[in-house]
Amino acid sequence: DQQVKQNSPSLSVQEGRISILNCDYTNSMFDYFLWYKKYPAEGPTFLISISSIKDKNEDGRFTVFLNKSAKHLSLHIVPSQPGDSAVYFCAASEWTGNQFYFGTGTSLTVIP
Amino acid sequence: ETGVTQSPTHLIKTRGQQVTLRCSSQSGHNTVSWYQQALGQGPQFIFQYYREEENGRGNFPPRFSGLQFPNYSSELNVNALELDDSALYLCASSLAGGRAGGELFFGEGSRLTVL
Repeated sequence: DQQVKQNSPSLSVQEGRISILNCDYTNSMFDYFLWYKKYPAEGPTFLISISSIKDKNEDGRFTVFLNKSAKHLSLHIVPSQPGDSAVYFCAASEWTGNQFYFGTGTSLTVIP
Repeated sequence: ETGVTQSPTHLIKTRGQQVTLRCSSQSGHNTVSWYQQALGQGPQFIFQYYREEENGRGNFPPRFSGLQFPNYSSELNVNALELDDSALYLCASSLAGGRAGGELFFGEGSRLTVL
């Protein structure tokens, strides 16, 4: 049973516009969330995290929003750049747990 | 500071064979986790090692086993390979001390093809 879901396999955005990637989870015990970016032939690279005590975390062009009541988080990239083209995974865990549960990824293409 | 390195990067095996994948964790990291990423899927947790002991296992059969060494490097062993074992195997290290509550630093992965 997939506990973390990314329902959009792909997303295309014009350079300079906002990219919004969405993620839903089912386990109410999850309280720590990460976003990773993955280029072909490379391992996933950490982007940004958020814990359940917050509903927003920003790091430069990247902002993650958490809606605990809806069990939903989103990653906003503003402005989008061609180098942002990659597969983005969200991941969730319990703070005291020892594993992350990953979504299936969203492939973002930023069009110059 | 060196990152997470994995070897080999690519390998091809036949059904029934055994494989060993290796991982050197990032300097100072004491926790290593292994994930399997099948084509079109997200990474799936295999197990985690902390202080040379297995510290949690995902839904993988016993033919998936591992080791962690005193220098925190790790091995993943898979016996009796099956076609469905074809995947990218990712090693991730962290300072979490056995907990997931910290970011994972991934290696580039080992791409295993089982024929």
